[in-house]
Amino acid sequence: LAKTTQPISMDSYEGQEVNITCSHNNIATNDYITWYQQFPSQGPRFIIQGYKTKVTNEVASLFIPADRKSSTLSLPRVSLSDTAVYYCLGVGNTDKLIFGTGTRLQVFP
Amino acid sequence: KAGVTQTPRYLIKTRGQQVTLSCSPISGHRSVSWYQQTPGQGLQFLFEYFSETQRNKGNFPGRFSGRQFSNSRSEMNVSTLELGDSALYLCASSLGGAASTDTQYFGPGTRLTVL
Repeated sequence: LAKTTQPISMDSYEGQEVNITCSHNNIATNDYITWYQQFPSQGPRFIIQGYKTKVTNEVASLFIPADRKSSTLSLPRVSLSDTAVYYCLGVGNTDKLIFGTGTRLQVFP
Repeated sequence: KAGVTQTPRYLIKTRGQQVTLSCSPISGHRSVSWYQQTPGQGLQFLFEYFSETQRNKGNFPGRFSGRQFSNSRSEMNVSTLELGDSALYLCASSLGGAASTDTQYFGPGTRLTVL
């Protein structure tokens, strides 16, 4: 199981780019890095997943360096509706999802 | 395609009672996982069912049990409720392939309050 470490909280303003870095020093060879977003009193929502280098979708980008010991979720031009908790997970072939404490992102107007 | 649905959305019970929560997965999904979320412990994995069989289990006492039916719908049961069982119970469904590439889709949760 890949243990992940990420900042407890971050603040940003509308229109800014937000980068949330996650550390996963003991990630296994077959683990994928997956990010979820959770709003209060709702279930987590899948954002993006990658193995290495860069992955981009309509919501975010995920940067994973060659050593894969960390990853960075990039949210371009955040809005107030991006205020949520963001979880970084290392997911392997047989592992269930292990959620850490997540990063609480607060976006201000 | 309809998302994951959970019933009931809110539930109030007293200590010692038992409770059954229900989860209907996305059509075509064969895996259903259950999670407990509390302010103190965060999101914790309870168990996963795939094709009516428990495939994975977290570190919860035997009071927590579940089952899955042939249509992939799942139920979770908690017996002899304790105050500490107050939590948001989340269900997630997926196709059921390798966890590394099998995206889980979460329902809105059932808020259980134990008095």
